[in-house]
Amino acid sequence: DAGITQSPRHKVTETGTPVTLRCHQTENHRYMYWYRQDPGHGLRLIHYSYGVKDTDKGEVSDGYSVSRSKTEDFLLTLESATSSQTSVYFCAIYGYTFGSGTRLTVV
Amino acid sequence: GENVEQHPSTLSVQEGDSAVIKCTYSDSASNYFPWYKQELGKRPQLIIDIRSNVGEKKDQRIAVTLNKTAKHFSLHITETQPEDSAVYFCAASRDSSYKLIFGSGTRLLVRP
Repeated sequence: DAGITQSPRHKVTETGTPVTLRCHQTENHRYMYWYRQDPGHGLRLIHYSYGVKDTDKGEVSDGYSVSRSKTEDFLLTLESATSSQTSVYFCAIYGYTFGSGTRLTVV
Repeated sequence: GENVEQHPSTLSVQEGDSAVIKCTYSDSASNYFPWYKQELGKRPQLIIDIRSNVGEKKDQRIAVTLNKTAKHFSLHITETQPEDSAVYFCAASRDSSYKLIFGSGTRLLVRP
């Protein structure tokens, strides 16, 4: 595929537990993004990164943190998962190409 | 903040007819406008995009038009086929970081 992979593809977790989603790219792109997709809301930007250790907040950043220690990896962490964070999470590079998504269910 | 509104939310057309989806944006500094197609259970995929220095762009059966004065842009699909059935998203961005703001999506159904 397009050189961007997400892991895991599916995850079920309990309320209050920490969760980390991983995005890995082989395109050496400087810009990476995390979006969440919910019915009726389209895709909403959570956080984005414009380089190693350079990140910024998007529209819906509350409850999420990110880290970018290497160009190829962009991690999204839910410090204490809540049911409202049940969603499909997409990573993207340079705004054009999306990963396959992670379906996260918080019970 | 930046906002992109998309209409209609659902659209049903007969095979062979045309489909038009419209978006308006709030940030006058926006200068890049992509459209994505998302099939059920799959990732969004870029199908066409337009930049603010261009009024119209075509790619086979797909075209996008942009009216910067009115701050709206539209996707036109001609000679629709059942495989065009999907959810379509518009988006807008103001700068080279390509931080995209998406519309809420249009579910297109093409009836055979």
